[in-house]
Amino acid sequence: NAGVTQTPKFQVLKTGQSMTLQCAQDMNHEYMSWYRQDPGMGLRLIHYSVGAGITDQGEVPNGYNVSRSTTEDFPLRLLSAAPSQTSVYFCASTFTGSTGNTIYFGEGSWLTVV
Amino acid sequence: DAKTTQPTSMDCAEGRAANLPCNHSTISGNEYVYWYRQIHSQGPQYIIHGLKNNETNEMASLIITEDRKSSTLILPHATLRDTAVYYCIVPTGTASKLTFGTGTRLQVTL
Repeated sequence: NAGVTQTPKFQVLKTGQSMTLQCAQDMNHEYMSWYRQDPGMGLRLIHYSVGAGITDQGEVPNGYNVSRSTTEDFPLRLLSAAPSQTSVYFCASTFTGSTGNTIYFGEGSWLTVV
Repeated sequence: DAKTTQPTSMDCAEGRAANLPCNHSTISGNEYVYWYRQIHSQGPQYIIHGLKNNETNEMASLIITEDRKSSTLILPHATLRDTAVYYCIVPTGTASKLTFGTGTRLQVTL
């Protein structure tokens, strides 16, 4: 059971380049989400999905696209990278239970835009 | 999410209990209190959650006041590996959408 797997772990991009951060979970969770964390700050929600084919915007969606074609995968696309998108990105998957929900996070993807 | 207030930082001696407080005075009757922690640059880790009863698991205990306006996370025997930022979160709506504040930075020392 790998949990939530993110790739790549580290990436350097030039301004204007595009790329996709991959996220996969093997727990059959319906809910998945992407957060970003800037230095010294808490996590902020970028996009989330409540199931295959369904996505919605979070707090800071601009500059990012997502899709959810399968339950397992939830990739995050940077359309045209900007230095302001330099951050650590965390993918998460949520177990929904009758006594509350538990979110499991990946180990993070460190992105630097130069 | 309901607003939560936590101290910015706390220290605890190794082997002692760490008691981390959280105020959530605007919590609604059906909202859970969640605790997560983030050890340096790693992904946040779920610790525990509760609605109104006290909860205990292998990692910690959660004490929620009777009026539910505050709670305390207890690490019974803190170790150096418990040094981390601890987040108290009261999500509204789906718990896939969490609002992380700045949390409490717990430093466990020898």
